[in-house]
Amino acid sequence: GNSVTQMEGPVTLSEEAFLTINCTYTATGYPSLFWYVQYPGEGLQLLLKATKADDKGSNKGFEATYRKETTSFHLEKGSVQVSDSAVYFCALRNSGNTPLVFGKGTRLSVIA
Amino acid sequence: DARVTQTPRHKVTEMGQEVTMRCQPILGHNTVFWYRQTMMQGLELLAYFRNRAPLDDSGMPKDRFSAEMPDATLATLKIQPSEPRDSAVYFCASAPGQGSYNEQFFGPGTRLTVL
Repeated sequence: GNSVTQMEGPVTLSEEAFLTINCTYTATGYPSLFWYVQYPGEGLQLLLKATKADDKGSNKGFEATYRKETTSFHLEKGSVQVSDSAVYFCALRNSGNTPLVFGKGTRLSVIA
Repeated sequence: DARVTQTPRHKVTEMGQEVTMRCQPILGHNTVFWYRQTMMQGLELLAYFRNRAPLDDSGMPKDRFSAEMPDATLATLKIQPSEPRDSAVYFCASAPGQGSYNEQFFGPGTRLTVL
């Protein structure tokens, strides 16, 4: 079956530090991959996505590259800000408009 | 700015009471999802609809949960009777079209507390 595994948090970083949140997946076929972000008290928002191998998704300084050979989609940001404090979810979808399969989420806290 | 709306945002109720949560998907979106979020289980899919027809509700406890789409602008999730273990945040999401690259847009959620 399809599944997503992401690193457990919480992750605490100082402002301007480099961020990596690891995500690996198991899927049949060729899934699309997503990172969603959930700010406190809000719903999930799409942060970035990649639909095929070697694609790089990017948004707001965050990046993730679809690596088929390692079945990974790690999230990175070169310099985090306090405003990036949130829970980050890695997700996949295999085909059509089917439900997303989410990882457990990783809570990021950035301190000034 | 099109958004998914959910009501109520917060609900506190006593065990055994009926709870109804409502969702208005973005106009024109033909697929609607219900998710539940808890600390222990993370995000779980409860049910989803396409063109108002239920496609999968295997994630829902059938004896107490029901989901419907009376029309294209309203999705409902009902719990009867509610139990303390149903306490969670319930999210509705909608998406357009058929492609696997289509983004799902989430509502702000309904935080349910069952005492």
